[in-house]
Amino acid sequence: DAKTTQPTSMDCAEGRAANLPCNHSTISGNEYVYWYRQIHSQGPQYIIHGLKNNETNEMASLIITEDRKSSTLILPHATLRDTAVYYCIVRVDYAGNMLTFGGGTRLMVKP
Amino acid sequence: DSGVTQTPKHLITATGQRVTLRCSPRSGDLSVYWYQQSLDQGLQFLIQYYNGEERAKGNILERFSAQQFPDLHSELNLSSLELGDSALYFCASSAGPQSSDGYTFGSGTRLTVV
Repeated sequence: DAKTTQPTSMDCAEGRAANLPCNHSTISGNEYVYWYRQIHSQGPQYIIHGLKNNETNEMASLIITEDRKSSTLILPHATLRDTAVYYCIVRVDYAGNMLTFGGGTRLMVKP
Repeated sequence: DSGVTQTPKHLITATGQRVTLRCSPRSGDLSVYWYQQSLDQGLQFLIQYYNGEERAKGNILERFSAQQFPDLHSELNLSSLELGDSALYFCASSAGPQSSDGYTFGSGTRLTVV
């Protein structure tokens, strides 16, 4: 699976959009971009994933650049409960393929 | 409730002992994954089972072993425990052949070795 690079930490004001970047310059054509988050000591939580088109769900939006070498997770209106470590993971999507977690971005949402 | 059940939630044991952590995957999921997260460390993949068979191994110590039973629940066995084995242990399961909805993690077992 391709390696990803994320900033170690970010701050965001409550109510504002949180934009979390991820670089994956060695991504292969059949690899998806996944985002998970881990709120303190809880199990990681799936947020969203995509291949090349932008995706949106009730939690977030995922913007993938045309060359697929980077992506941005957008939390449109961050709340204090969004404070967590966010992991960007690139992997081939097939049944039974493991997730490999990197260091992630520690997002702190401040009042 | 994520649908993945891990028991026990907390476990305190002494060095040299053996413990068993249990995981029941989400209904219909065939794959079970075990991860270890030590204090302030990232999530380290340990081992994966798919429909009863070992599929992949990560950084799992020889003192650790796992299995997946016919009903698809899984157990992680940790033996000859050391202080450094204190960690959160997470189990995750993934959907069947169409895995597009990602993984589901349990709430973890916090193991403290004293």
